[in-house]
Amino acid sequence: DVKVTQSSRYLVKRTGEKVFLECVQDMDHENMFWYRQDPGLGLRLIYFSYDVKMKEKGDIPEGYSVSREKKERFSLILESASTNQTSMYLCASSSRSGKAFFGQGTRLTVV
Amino acid sequence: AQRVTQPEKLLSVFKGAPVELKCNYSYSGSPELFWYVQYSRQRLQLLLRHISRESIKGFTADLNKGETSFHLKKPFAQEEDSAMYYCALRVYNFNKFYFGSGTKLNVKP
Repeated sequence: DVKVTQSSRYLVKRTGEKVFLECVQDMDHENMFWYRQDPGLGLRLIYFSYDVKMKEKGDIPEGYSVSREKKERFSLILESASTNQTSMYLCASSSRSGKAFFGQGTRLTVV
Repeated sequence: AQRVTQPEKLLSVFKGAPVELKCNYSYSGSPELFWYVQYSRQRLQLLLRHISRESIKGFTADLNKGETSFHLKKPFAQEEDSAMYYCALRVYNFNKFYFGSGTKLNVKP
């Protein structure tokens, strides 16, 4: 079974803090993704990566950056957290065959 | 631009009734469509994909390119089908997944 593991289930951070969300997958997948999940808006793609050190912006990259130094790890960085970034964050990975596998999610609250 | 539309935010049916969750997409290339499901307090997981043409947990979905739709159907809903369902479009060249806004299915006893 593919495992996609997000480092935290719940996080509470203060406005202006730098926040790191970590994601690790164990199936040697090339592609990794970060989404945020909000009621009524579904999943919106923040960034994705198709290889080590390679990244592309998704639909809502503003206020976020990413890092992929190793194939198995994809980090999402909130440079200066704001209250409108309070959300559920989902990491996913997929092989070239197309199926995506998701982590359990990180519920981030910015106060 | 790619887009996935799920027009219903909430769908409530009684146990044993047929259910259809609607999904429409817009994409100029050859689409690859998926349905993902999220049960309460569980992670999002793949339910089915159109290229497999399979039935999972009694659900089926047919890609209709003429109507640009990929509706999810089940003839007899069960209470355990209650969950959030997301339709997704994979853009092959870039390996990106675009998701709809989701439909919450509530199957009443």
